[in-house]
Amino acid sequence: GENVEQHPSTLSVQEGDSAVIKCTYSDSASNYFPWYKQELGKGPQLIIDIRSNVGEKKDQRIAVTLNKTAKHFSLHITETQPEDSAVYFCAASPVLFRGSQGNLIFGKGTKLSVKP
Amino acid sequence: GAVVSQHPSWVICKSGTSVKIECRSLDFQATTMFWYRQFPKQSLMLMATSNEGSKATYEQGVEKDKFLINHASLTLSTLTVTSAHPEDSSFYICSARVLGLHTQYFGPGTRLTVL
Repeated sequence: GENVEQHPSTLSVQEGDSAVIKCTYSDSASNYFPWYKQELGKGPQLIIDIRSNVGEKKDQRIAVTLNKTAKHFSLHITETQPEDSAVYFCAASPVLFRGSQGNLIFGKGTKLSVKP
Repeated sequence: GAVVSQHPSWVICKSGTSVKIECRSLDFQATTMFWYRQFPKQSLMLMATSNEGSKATYEQGVEKDKFLINHASLTLSTLTVTSAHPEDSSFYICSARVLGLHTQYFGPGTRLTVL
């Protein structure tokens, strides 16, 4: 089955700096890679996602890159702000219509702290 | 759009009682709903997947007789923790997905504390 590794487990940056979180996956059949932000005591919030036919996707200060050959994908946050402080989870999902439910396999999370 | 609600947001119960948690998709029809539990400082652990009108599919190690899941409509799924014990205390989160799409939208979670 799919296995998702996420690094680092904790990341501390100064306000205004960039933050990068990296994930690797094992199943080449995975084709959907979302990133979620979870604040303390709340449910995960989808912040960006990418599909395997795309190499990079941007949404304002957030970008995700995908390298299918190397089976890794990364989240980039530029100009970090204190409100970016949270736990970020990457996930991978296999193709939906091959007898699978397309369940998300999550990484273990990265606690990002942005210091003012 | 794509809002998922959960009720209650927190619950405290005595050992041996049953607790029901509701998950609703407010502005879309969710053909598939998922239930996760999350322990402090850990990742989300999938408990079960439910498709509207079908029996839930439970992950290995999850007791189906203890965690009863019902997905009776395209906007509502319920998780009932039967005969709850202190070790069932956790943060339970649901998510919902539209048929044919990958994207899962998560609810705000329910904090269960069993005394």
